[in-house]
Amino acid sequence: ETGVTQSPTHLIKTRGQQVTLRCSSQSGHNTVSWYQQALGQGPQFIFQYYREEENGRGNFPPRFSGLQFPNYSSELNVNALELDDSALYLCASSRLAGGEQYFGPGTRLTVT
Amino acid sequence: AQKVTQAQTEISVVEKEDVTLDCVYETRDTTYYLFWYKQPPSGELVFLIRRNSFDEQNEISGRYSWNFQKSTSSFNFTITASQVVDSAVYFCALKVSLNYGGSQGNLIFGKGTKLSVKP
Repeated sequence: ETGVTQSPTHLIKTRGQQVTLRCSSQSGHNTVSWYQQALGQGPQFIFQYYREEENGRGNFPPRFSGLQFPNYSSELNVNALELDDSALYLCASSRLAGGEQYFGPGTRLTVT
Repeated sequence: AQKVTQAQTEISVVEKEDVTLDCVYETRDTTYYLFWYKQPPSGELVFLIRRNSFDEQNEISGRYSWNFQKSTSSFNFTITASQVVDSAVYFCALKVSLNYGGSQGNLIFGKGTKLSVKP
């Protein structure tokens, strides 16, 4: 069984640019949740996608957006990058919207 | 409001010592789940345990044990005979609203406790 994968591993962007992060869910999982983890902090919930629809959102501005595809993989898009967006972005997949979440290795984004 | 507090920022022990990581949570919901995750330097969150709010039985898994007490809103994690490989950041997390298919089901994390086990 293939676990949750994320790409890229690391990314460096400049303030004001846009970035797309990708996540492939674990086999049999139809829900993907995204979290932002700033240095020295716990992960914070960004949003969740269930069957290609947004199914809940945390306290993040609209420039954080996402997609889920028919194969349940997902993208996180961040527009107009700010320095504070520098963080580890974690993706988690689950069998159902409220089910057990399994995390990927994360994408480390640095904004300069 | 939902909140998880891990008061211990960093703990350092010598191998074979026992160590307890504290977790205090806040929620008004009567149905909720509590979790512990381990985050090694690689960054991936590794699931350790899930407990629901209706099951206060303590659990033991090898060198790991968990003490859930609703009266004090605590869900503490003990590692017995710690090993160098236990060095990591440990997160306690809370999840409410377990209506499958219709709710957020998002995890609320504490700030984590960094455990260093020295040989």
